[in-house]
Amino acid sequence: TQLLEQSPQFLSIQEGENLTVYCNSSSVFSSLQWYRQEPGEGPVLLVTVVTGGEVKKLKRLTFQFGDARKDSSLHITAAQPGDTGLYLCAGAGSGTYKYIFGTGTRLKVLA
Amino acid sequence: DTGVSQDPRHKITKRGQNVTFRCDPISEHNRLYWYRQTLGQGPEFLTYFQNEAQLEKSRLLSDRFSAERPKGSFSTLEIQRTEQGDSAMYLCASSLDDRGREKLFFGSGTQLSVL
Repeated sequence: TQLLEQSPQFLSIQEGENLTVYCNSSSVFSSLQWYRQEPGEGPVLLVTVVTGGEVKKLKRLTFQFGDARKDSSLHITAAQPGDTGLYLCAGAGSGTYKYIFGTGTRLKVLA
Repeated sequence: DTGVSQDPRHKITKRGQNVTFRCDPISEHNRLYWYRQTLGQGPEFLTYFQNEAQLEKSRLLSDRFSAERPKGSFSTLEIQRTEQGDSAMYLCASSLDDRGREKLFFGSGTQLSVL
């Protein structure tokens, strides 16, 4: 059974601080995605990474896929209150389109 | 707006009743997914369709859950004989095959409360 563990589970920081969220598994994924979810809404896709070692940047957000395609990280620089939300990683194994979601990291950025 | 639409947004039912939810995906998307999410947790995979074929179904689902996508367009998720443990947000997502780089677009979900 494929599992994605995220850490930390909760994170409360001040505006302007940097943070990193981790997504780890013992399984290999053909692709890995990061989503952000607001209360009462569905998750919204931020990025997809497919190549081991791949790094993608989206403004202040930097995403990295591990070399072995078993883990990923999301780094936010100079966090803002608008970054507050539930961050989710999701992956699909080889030969399947069954996307498994991680346990989630709830981020709160205080002004 | 041509996003994923789910109906109803909220459903309150009594234990033992049957409920049905509907999902209308983005029109050209060939894959449709159902997930269940409880407060503070990540979405839990239930099932997915490619066109009208149901390709995978979670082993966590009991026989009380069934999903259909009769013409490869909209989908329904039915829960029979609801239990209090079924209370959750039920999310639908759709995607277009993009050789591993596909993007899942989610609806706003149906919040189910079983009393």
